[in-house]
Amino acid sequence: GEDVEQSLFLSVREGDSSVINCTYTDSSSTYLYWYKQEPGAGLQLLTYIFSNMDMKQDQRLTVLLNKKDKHLSLRIADTQTGDSAIYFCAEAPGNQFYFGTGTSLTVIP
Amino acid sequence: DADVTQTPRNRITKTGKRIMLECSQTKGHDRMYWYRQDPGLGLRLIYYSFDVKDINKGEISDGYSVSRQAQAKFSLSLESAIPNQTALYFCATSDPGTSGRATGELFFGEGSRLTVL
Repeated sequence: GEDVEQSLFLSVREGDSSVINCTYTDSSSTYLYWYKQEPGAGLQLLTYIFSNMDMKQDQRLTVLLNKKDKHLSLRIADTQTGDSAIYFCAEAPGNQFYFGTGTSLTVIP
Repeated sequence: DADVTQTPRNRITKTGKRIMLECSQTKGHDRMYWYRQDPGLGLRLIYYSFDVKDINKGEISDGYSVSRQAQAKFSLSLESAIPNQTALYFCATSDPGTSGRATGELFFGEGSRLTVL
């Protein structure tokens, strides 16, 4: 399968910005995705970016895509305790989705 | 009610037992998937199905089988469970997209936690 890599853990203080990074291997995905998994729940789509875009902003979320380096990042501004969750990046070349290992974000009050 | 429903939500079983995890969806999607989640490994695809007559192996299909009984139902079986199949299992659906909204987003159930002793 494809390699999608993320760091496993991130801790930030409430009110600070969080940046979650992801590297992927297949550049043929039309979209790249960020999913959020809250405790005891399934994954939900948080945001996505079309592969011909460099940046997408959606309220507190900013997605940056560097296609040359195959690097995707998710920035959460003014991080809140409700943002504590596991965040997965994913690519979908062809018919399958490939997920990263997930980054567990802990927000310290 | 959830759009993607998995049963059971939790199951403890013994090595060698046959286990079935069931998934039903009300989203009307043709595509259905089974993933397993392990800490530090993310989600790995077990099987997927693009319609009732289509079944495909994912990256970790050994030890598992599936049945697509209807468009809305996709079940995962472990014929003889072993401890390293202890994991959180997710069913998901997707719509490949129609004109104007082709994101291919996956919609997940809430998961089935399986423990094999």
